[in-house]
Amino acid sequence: GENVEQHPSTLSVQEGDSAVIKCTYSDSASNYFPWYKQELGKRPQLIIDIRSNVGEKKDQRIAVTLNKTAKHFSLHITETQPEDSAVYFCAAGPGNYGQNFVFGPGTRLSVLP
Amino acid sequence: EPEVTQTPSHQVTQMGQEVILRCVPISNHLYFYWYRQILGQKVEFLVSFYNNEISEKSEIFDDQFSVERPDGSNFTLKIRSTKLEDSAMYFCASTWTSGYEQYFGPGTRLTVT
Repeated sequence: GENVEQHPSTLSVQEGDSAVIKCTYSDSASNYFPWYKQELGKRPQLIIDIRSNVGEKKDQRIAVTLNKTAKHFSLHITETQPEDSAVYFCAAGPGNYGQNFVFGPGTRLSVLP
Repeated sequence: EPEVTQTPSHQVTQMGQEVILRCVPISNHLYFYWYRQILGQKVEFLVSFYNNEISEKSEIFDDQFSVERPDGSNFTLKIRSTKLEDSAMYFCASTWTSGYEQYFGPGTRLTVT
């Protein structure tokens, strides 16, 4: 089955700097790669996703890149703000009927003012 | 904006007791999921449900677990005889089309004593 690894497990950056979180996956059948942000005690919320027919996607300060050949994808946050502090989970899935995502172990991002 | 809702927010039960966790998915969604998250760990898939039957289930989802959509709105997860290791946050999620964004509920924190 699918296995998703995520690095780093913790990341501290100064406000205004960029943050990069990297994930690798094992199953070449995976076609859909969402990123979720989870604030303490709250539900995971989708912040950006990418499908395998796209190499890069950007939404304001957040971007995701996908290298399907190497089976890795990355989240980039620019101009970080304190409210970006949270745990970020990447996930991978086939994007097909009824099939689940496999989540990475998470990255705790701390943005220091 | 419509949201997935879950009740109760926190459930405390004794080992060996049955618990039912309830979810109300977003009304026009067709695919439903249960995930769990042990404190400080990643989100783990339990089961997906479509067209009144299980689509896929993980190794965690053994005979002690069952899911049901008893009416047009609720989606429930039952644990027949709880164990200490079932203590976790349980998230329900739903999506309109499989593989697209999964919307997570706020979670039910289950504590087994």
